[in-house]
Amino acid sequence: GAGVSQSPSNKVTEKGKDVELRCDPISGHTALYWYRQSLGQGLEFLIYFQGNSAPDKSGLPSDRFSAERTGGSVSTLTIQRTQQEDSAVYLCASSWTRGSSYEQYFGPGTRLTVT
Amino acid sequence: QKEVEQDPGPLSVPEGAIVSLNCTYSNSAFQYFMWYRQYSRKGPELLMYTYSSGNKEDGRFTAQVDKSSKYISLFIRDSQPSDSATYLCAMNRNTGFQKLVFGTGTRLLVSP
Repeated sequence: GAGVSQSPSNKVTEKGKDVELRCDPISGHTALYWYRQSLGQGLEFLIYFQGNSAPDKSGLPSDRFSAERTGGSVSTLTIQRTQQEDSAVYLCASSWTRGSSYEQYFGPGTRLTVT
Repeated sequence: QKEVEQDPGPLSVPEGAIVSLNCTYSNSAFQYFMWYRQYSRKGPELLMYTYSSGNKEDGRFTAQVDKSSKYISLFIRDSQPSDSATYLCAMNRNTGFQKLVFGTGTRLLVSP
């Protein structure tokens, strides 16, 4: 079946602009995760959604970052007033249930460049 | 100090070599240990996971966990040029939501 998809694949924006990144998880997966991958930094956890529960936002780096998940499926990560340090690859992953969160399936990522 | 340390490489080996990739960690609460492979401009894909200490083998890949030393390894036998990628270790706790903590990744280059 189809894997996790993300759009856009690349985004170049000017400092101070808002951006929206989209993630379509694997159908039926109840858990959805956002990570950020910066050069030489590895993957950094941002936010986690599980079903209808309140999201775990403990990894969001500032209040400029927010995310929502509509209808338990598609998720949007929004970055307001972008800064150059926001430049990174933003990865989305999904998994079946909370208990199997190690089996996370990743999308190809959105490469964000803030000029 | 990072919770998970991983040598960024690059690690260059000839085709057919045995490759050893390693991570160390500081948090003794970690219970699940994973290895992901990431090709350039792609998302990570899960290769193997291990619960607690011990070994796990899958084809040419063997994962080892030594919790007493807080050290995990991934061995690749008979390495192929197609194994050239970045290998990320990841781990999590066994309570509540298991946030994955990743190493920075080791870039592996296998030359024909």
